[in-house]
Amino acid sequence: NAGVMQNPRHLVRRRGQEARLRCSPMKGHSHVYWYRQLPEEGLKFMVYLQKENIIDESGMPKERFSAEFPKEGPSILRIQQVVRGDSAAYFCASSPPWGFETQYFGPGTRLLVL
Amino acid sequence: AQSVTQLDSQVPVFEEAPVELRCNYSSSVSVYLFWYVQYPNQGLQLLLKYLSGSTLVKGINGFEAEFNKSQTSFHLRKPSVHISDTAEYFCAVPNNAGNMLTFGGGTRLMVKP
Repeated sequence: NAGVMQNPRHLVRRRGQEARLRCSPMKGHSHVYWYRQLPEEGLKFMVYLQKENIIDESGMPKERFSAEFPKEGPSILRIQQVVRGDSAAYFCASSPPWGFETQYFGPGTRLLVL
Repeated sequence: AQSVTQLDSQVPVFEEAPVELRCNYSSSVSVYLFWYVQYPNQGLQLLLKYLSGSTLVKGINGFEAEFNKSQTSFHLRKPSVHISDTAEYFCAVPNNAGNMLTFGGGTRLMVKP
């Protein structure tokens, strides 16, 4: 059973460009979570999604950030008009519907904004 | 609201010595607790979890943790560490709805030969 997949693993963008991060949850998992880890800090919750629904986006910045988890395909975290402060590691986690309290993490996408 | 405090940002220790990484939490409801490990430039791997039952929880790689409700602690221990245990360790607690994890600031374990 493959784990949580994220791509790309590393992403370099210039200021003002868009960053698109993808996450494929573990097989059978219908809950997806996105976290951000700034340099030398712990992980901070961003958003929680189920298929075609955003359940909790209380950790998402109000502007430029959006997330989706379509019926088919991976979950996408989109950052528009990136700024240097967006440079961080972005982690996706997934959990099954029956055991939502245990989250399994992907390897992360490390975004560098030049 | 839940919160997690990891008192030690760095813990240096010699190989084969015992180690304890401290975690204190605050929560107003039933408590689930997790320890994750992050190796350099990698994602988080679940070490162990407390959901209910025995307060002593055994995890992977020889780690264990003890849930202490009266002291609101969930310290992580290993009797003899290896060089390969060098990593960042995070304690986490879910919110009331179970849809997000609140992480502590992390403890960097540095095992020296």
